[in-house]
Amino acid sequence: GENVEQHPSTLSVQEGDSAVIKCTYSDSASNYFPWYKQELGKGPQLIIDIRSNVGEKKDQRIAVTLNKTAKHFSLHITETQPEDSAVYFCAASKGRTGGFKTIFGAGTRLFVKA
Amino acid sequence: GAVVSQHPSRVICKSGTSVKIECRSLDFQATTMFWYRQFPKQSLMLMATSNEGSKATYEQGVEKDKFLINHASLTLSTLTVTSAHPEDSSFYICSARLGDRGGKLFFGSGTQLSVL
Repeated sequence: GENVEQHPSTLSVQEGDSAVIKCTYSDSASNYFPWYKQELGKGPQLIIDIRSNVGEKKDQRIAVTLNKTAKHFSLHITETQPEDSAVYFCAASKGRTGGFKTIFGAGTRLFVKA
Repeated sequence: GAVVSQHPSRVICKSGTSVKIECRSLDFQATTMFWYRQFPKQSLMLMATSNEGSKATYEQGVEKDKFLINHASLTLSTLTVTSAHPEDSSFYICSARLGDRGGKLFFGSGTQLSVL
């Protein structure tokens, strides 16, 4: 079945530095790739997403890139701030073809040190 | 933005009792909702897909008689953990699909279930 691998599991950066989280998916039919931020004791919050017909998308300090050939996608956070500290999940979906089921990566715990 | 409300946020119950968790889409209609289970420091595990007006589709290994799902309206899905036992203790999260955005999921705030 569909599998999403996510690395690293833990990432510690200094405030102001950039953070990069990488994911790989197995099902080439996947066409939608969202990223979620989860704070302790809360539900995941959608922060950015990208569809398979786009290679890159940016929203202020957050950007996502997609390499369909390699089945890789990455999250880039620039000028990190302490409030960026959280667990980040990548995910992949096949849309209607897959019943809109979303498969999540294992998560990356990001620590931003002030 | 799309808001999903989940209640209760925390529940403690005795072993053998049943617990109902509600998931509501407040400002949009959701034909499809999903229920997840999350253990500490782990990822979200999909339990079932809830479709309005029809039976839920359960993932392999999830007992449908244990985790009853009802999606009676376009804005409400409920998960009932029947005859709860300590091993059912977990963080349960629902999500709703925003239909006009081709699959974007919005999550509730989660329910921490503790079975004594």
